[in-house]
Amino acid sequence: KAGVTQTPRYLIKTRGQQVTLSCSPISGHRSVSWYQQTPGQGLQFLFEYFSETQRNKGNFPGRFSGRQFSNSRSEMNVSTLELGDSALYLCASSLTGTDSPLHFGNGTRLTVT
Amino acid sequence: AQRVTQPEKLLSVFKGAPVELKCNYSYSGSPELFWYVQYSRQRLQLLLRHISRESIKGFTADLNKGETSFHLKKPFAQEEDSAMYYCALRGAGNMLTFGGGTRLMVKP
Repeated sequence: KAGVTQTPRYLIKTRGQQVTLSCSPISGHRSVSWYQQTPGQGLQFLFEYFSETQRNKGNFPGRFSGRQFSNSRSEMNVSTLELGDSALYLCASSLTGTDSPLHFGNGTRLTVT
Repeated sequence: AQRVTQPEKLLSVFKGAPVELKCNYSYSGSPELFWYVQYSRQRLQLLLRHISRESIKGFTADLNKGETSFHLKKPFAQEEDSAMYYCALRGAGNMLTFGGGTRLMVKP
């Protein structure tokens, strides 16, 4: 089975712009979660989607949003980018979410200048 | 609130020595604990979960609810064990709370 695929691998954006990141889960997985990884804050939960519905949300401002499509693929959007949004954004998928382990993608490294 | 603490940012041992990576958690309910590992230039991957009670690559971890700990142990470290290790807790919902990570360096 193919693993979790995230595109693009690298992005460079300017402050004030917006960005969309994409995640394709493992086939058959219906839950997709997003995490932000930074040297200062470590790995922090952004949100989780299951069957096209946001099921859990972390403590991030409304500039961070996401969605999930009927094929379980997910996108994450960050609007009005700030320098502090520079991070590695990880996507993880799991079968059902609540009692199955998470499988992570390689991440998208976002640099905001 | 749920919290995971890994007190050591770096742990350096010699090959063949025992390894213990510490993890302490704070959670009012019944937690599910995981260890994830990230080898150089590879994705974060699940090493083991407490409910499986299995040994992966020689590593074991026991959940101690009294001490709220989930330390990762291996009796004899190998050079290929060098990696970043993250302890994580899943409480309510499917949100994982990660510790800050411990970098394990196994010297020859």
